[in-house]
Amino acid sequence: QQQVKQSPQSLIVQKGGISIINCAYENTAFDYFPWYQQFPGKGPALLIAIRPDVSEKKEGRFTISFNKSAKQFSLHIMDSQPGDSATYFCAARKAAGNKLTFGGGTRVLVKP
Amino acid sequence: ETGVTQSPTHLIKTRGQQVTLRCSSQSGHNTVSWYQQALGQGPQFIFQYYREEENGRGNFPPRFSGLQFPNYSSELNVNALELDDSALYLCASTSSTQEKSPLHFGNGTRLTVT
Repeated sequence: QQQVKQSPQSLIVQKGGISIINCAYENTAFDYFPWYQQFPGKGPALLIAIRPDVSEKKEGRFTISFNKSAKQFSLHIMDSQPGDSATYFCAARKAAGNKLTFGGGTRVLVKP
Repeated sequence: ETGVTQSPTHLIKTRGQQVTLRCSSQSGHNTVSWYQQALGQGPQFIFQYYREEENGRGNFPPRFSGLQFPNYSSELNVNALELDDSALYLCASTSSTQEKSPLHFGNGTRLTVT
């Protein structure tokens, strides 16, 4: 059972464009939703995270939008740069415990 | 601040063998968890260790086992290796004393089973 579904699997965006990645979850016990960025040969690095009591969080060029009623959240990368080319994972965590449930990942390629 | 470090970075084993992977947690972190990341997929939770005891486990068989030491470092042991065990094994640490402290991952150990 895939509790966190992520789409698209891959996307190509031009430099300066907007990358949008979507995730949907099933378990209403999740209360913390981080996004991780992973470069080849490296471990996932925390990018930005949100809790369900807010609908949007912005850090620099990265914004999370959260829709609690739809059980969906998304990552927007504004002014995408070639250095943003990586695989992005959404994840979710329950109130009790530290276990992260990850989506399947989105490979983003930013063309110069 | 020292991040999460894992060793070795790469490992090749034969089916049926046993392997031990090691992890040093980030300074100030007392909780360690292990994840398996198959090629092209998201990480899957294996288990978590806190106060030297396993306190959470994912859908992995008992041949996956672990240890946590008094200095919070950890080991992942896998017995009777199978071809499907080939993956990137990630260690992550966090602090139980900080509410919703984020997980910080190491760069992983790439295990290949032939």
